Amino acid sequence: AQKITQTQPGMFVQEKEAVTLDCTYDTSDPSYGLFWYKQPSSGEMIFLIYQGSYDQQNATEGRYSLNFQKARKSANLVISASQLGDSAMYFCAMREGKGAQKLVFGQGTRLTINP
Amino acid sequence: NAGVTQTPKFQVLKTGQSMTLQCAQDMNHEYMSWYRQDPGMGLRLIHYSVGAGITDQGEVPNGYNVSRSTTEDFPLRLLSAAPSQTSVYFCASSASAFRVGTEAFFGQGTRLTVV
Repeated sequence: AQKITQTQPGMFVQEKEAVTLDCTYDTSDPSYGLFWYKQPSSGEMIFLIYQGSYDQQNATEGRYSLNFQKARKSANLVISASQLGDSAMYFCAMREGKGAQKLVFGQGTRLTINP
Repeated sequence: NAGVTQTPKFQVLKTGQSMTLQCAQDMNHEYMSWYRQDPGMGLRLIHYSVGAGITDQGEVPNGYNVSRSTTEDFPLRLLSAAPSQTSVYFCASSASAFRVGTEAFFGQGTRLTVV
């Protein structure tokens, strides 16, 4: 069963606009962590933001915020004021409490920022 | 500031050849793992280790072997390369094997082509 689902294979956004990248997850474990990683064309994986299942507030890191809706099992990444350098692949990932060893990834969303 | 170092960066193999992808981390991390990245499929876990001498299979372990004799190193061996193993391989490490909020640090990746 797919644990992490990213339904947007590609997205195109105008520079300076906000963009939301969708991520839904599936788990019965009450303890889990959700991560977003960015992969630019150079190939490296860059950690962006983390949300724990017990965190009361949505995580924020600079221009990145995580819209965490626990009941809907969604953890969407919001990038405010997008920049050309935000063009990249974005991956949502989850680690569960019982199987904390395994970080499971979604298929990714390719974001393109147009000038 | 080495972090996670993977070698080689690029490799071309002939079908049936064997080789070892090297991964080393200098952060004294407990947990290390190998992923492969294929177009449209995100990152899939091959093998992982929660400490020296302890390894386990991930989602796609067939055709690969691992061992962890030291905390720092986690090599991935391809026993008899097949074209289906053409992929980009990432090694990752995390400080803790069992905390859900532990960030994963990735190497730069190895692009492997099997002809």
